[in-house]
Amino acid sequence: KAGVTQTPRYLIKTRGQQVTLSCSPISGHRSVSWYQQTPGQGLQFLFEYFSETQRNKGNFPGRFSGRQFSNSRSEMNVSTLELGDSALYLCASSRSVGTGIMNTEAFFGQGTRLTVV
Amino acid sequence: ELKVEQNPLFLSMQEGKNYTIYCNYSTTSDRLYWYRQDPGKSLESLFVLLSNGAVKQEGRLMASLDTKARLSTLHITAAVHDLSATYFCAVESNYQLIWGAGTKLIIKP
Repeated sequence: KAGVTQTPRYLIKTRGQQVTLSCSPISGHRSVSWYQQTPGQGLQFLFEYFSETQRNKGNFPGRFSGRQFSNSRSEMNVSTLELGDSALYLCASSRSVGTGIMNTEAFFGQGTRLTVV
Repeated sequence: ELKVEQNPLFLSMQEGKNYTIYCNYSTTSDRLYWYRQDPGKSLESLFVLLSNGAVKQEGRLMASLDTKARLSTLHITAAVHDLSATYFCAVESNYQLIWGAGTKLIIKP
């Protein structure tokens, strides 16, 4: 069974540029979540999508956006990059059964390490 | 605001010893997760605890959940070097996981 696939694995961008990260969930999983991990702030929630609908969004500026496609694949975009956006971006997928219940278990991809210079 | 606190944040121990990592959270939730992260790697799911009194064991690791006390523990028995990693607990709330700061565990031969 294939796991969660994130591409690219590594990115180096310049301040002011924009970036798009991709996440392919485990087959059959309809919920995709994104998290940012930094040494200073730890793991922080960005957003969660289920069946192409954003169900929750974390406390990040509007420069951070995402979407989910009909095949459950998800992308997140960061515009006007800042040095502080350098982080490991992790995508998680889960089955998500029922309303009001996120999942039984979330499986994480290998992450995309973004460096902004 | 839901907060998740882990302690200790750093733990250095000898092989063969036992120790416990604690995870306290600030609001009602009956879904708690433990993950492991190796340096430069992603998060590996260890345990999913879905109800009060839940206890799960895998090898030398055992996790439990007390929803009334809002406390989960991860107990390490007879530690071995391969268990060196950072361990995170996370609580589910409103379609997201709220994370503890992580416990960096170093096990010395």
